[in-house]
Amino acid sequence: QLRLQESGPGLVKPSETLSLTCTVSGGSINSRPYYWGWIRQSPGKGLEWIASITYSGDIDYNPSLRSRVTISVDTSKNQFSLKVTSVTAADTAVYYCARQDSRPDKPFHDWGQGTLFTVSS
Amino acid sequence: SYVLTQPPSVSVAPGRTARIPCGGNSIASKSVHWYQQRPGQAPVLVVYDDTNRPSGIPERFSGSNSGNTATLTITGVQAGDEADYYCHVWDNSGDLRVFGGGTKLTVL
Repeated sequence: QLRLQESGPGLVKPSETLSLTCTVSGGSINSRPYYWGWIRQSPGKGLEWIASITYSGDIDYNPSLRSRVTISVDTSKNQFSLKVTSVTAADTAVYYCARQDSRPDKPFHDWGQGTLFTVSS
Repeated sequence: SYVLTQPPSVSVAPGRTARIPCGGNSIASKSVHWYQQRPGQAPVLVVYDDTNRPSGIPERFSGSNSGNTATLTITGVQAGDEADYYCHVWDNSGDLRVFGGGTKLTVL
């Protein structure tokens, strides 16, 4: 049973960098050409896709966030990560990591439980 | 960029059929996926590639996709189906994953 678990500090100050890690267990991050992605949900709002990466490093970004986000993968730790720079209150959200089947038009089949990150001074 | 439009809310009586639309330009040319999100929980995939159900999802959940509208249909609605539902497609013009705004299903 694949499990994804998000981690990182729950509180970040404005203008700082938010760093998140997703640890994958119950399967290898490079066992197949899956896409590993980040999706966020602001309080009371809908889902917003942020970025996706394959184990080999192919990356897609949401253009609306591209200038501030970096996604990366560490196959040795079975993890992938997201950094969001220059955060503002608008970045306060529950952040989910998820696994997408082998093509970008496929669904997000597996999700982490999500973790709330708050931007506040 | 590609836009998916969902009604903010749909209400249905228990035992009846709920239909949740997802509108997009020529959406029939895309594969549409649907997620259920209960309060405080992560989304769960309920329909993928327009009409397919993951294992463990009841047959009451089905999908269709034609023209400019994809539809998630839930037959014999139960109180436990009350949740937010999101559609999702891939915008191949920019390698974007796009979600609809979500529809809150209320069971009366």
